[in-house]
Amino acid sequence: EVQLVESGGGLVQPGGSLRLSCAASGFTFSSYVMRWVRQAAGKGLELVSGISASGTYTYYADSVKGRFTISRDNSKNTLYLQMNSLRDEDTAVYYCAKVGGSGNYDVPDYWGQGTLVTVSS
Amino acid sequence: EIVLTQSPGTLSLSPGERATLSCRASQGVGNSYLAWYQQKPGQAPRLLIYGASGRATGIPDRFSGSGSGTDFTLTISRLEPEDFAVYYCQQYANFPRTFGQGTKVEVK
Repeated sequence: EVQLVESGGGLVQPGGSLRLSCAASGFTFSSYVMRWVRQAAGKGLELVSGISASGTYTYYADSVKGRFTISRDNSKNTLYLQMNSLRDEDTAVYYCAKVGGSGNYDVPDYWGQGTLVTVSS
Repeated sequence: EIVLTQSPGTLSLSPGERATLSCRASQGVGNSYLAWYQQKPGQAPRLLIYGASGRATGIPDRFSGSGSGTDFTLTISRLEPEDFAVYYCQQYANFPRTFGQGTKVEVK
């Protein structure tokens, strides 16, 4: 059974930093693209960042480029999101998601339960 | 950036009724790379449909997707009590991947 368990969320002041982790199990982690998607309270979904299976290629939304860094440790089956220079508008639930495959199936097919990040003074 | 507009914003129906949800794209979605997700309160999204019409693993056949180009539809043939939720469409033809704003299916 595929399991994705996020951790590391919490309350942080504007300008602060936080590191999210996502522990994966139930599939061959090193074979799949992974992504972080966030959702502000009562709002829709936003793709924040993605990383290729090997970690060579990364993607960032314009809203977080230069502030967030995605990485992965395939030996530990863990995905990370380092968030620096946090802003009020980064407040959201952050989900990690496994991508199903390529082409037609290049979509998140499994999601974690999310971790809440609150940026406030 | 492809903007996805979902309609209606809220759909009020009774169990057993048919639900038809629309997702319109601001430009053509190449290869029909359009997905649908279901989200219940306090839960993560669940993949329902990929490639506009392919059902994800374990999704009941009362859920079906159709469409191409700029107009896509999610149909729930007979609403079950567990189907009342928010539904999002997402395009993955281009970066940035974008989501619609969601349609809430509520009990009438």
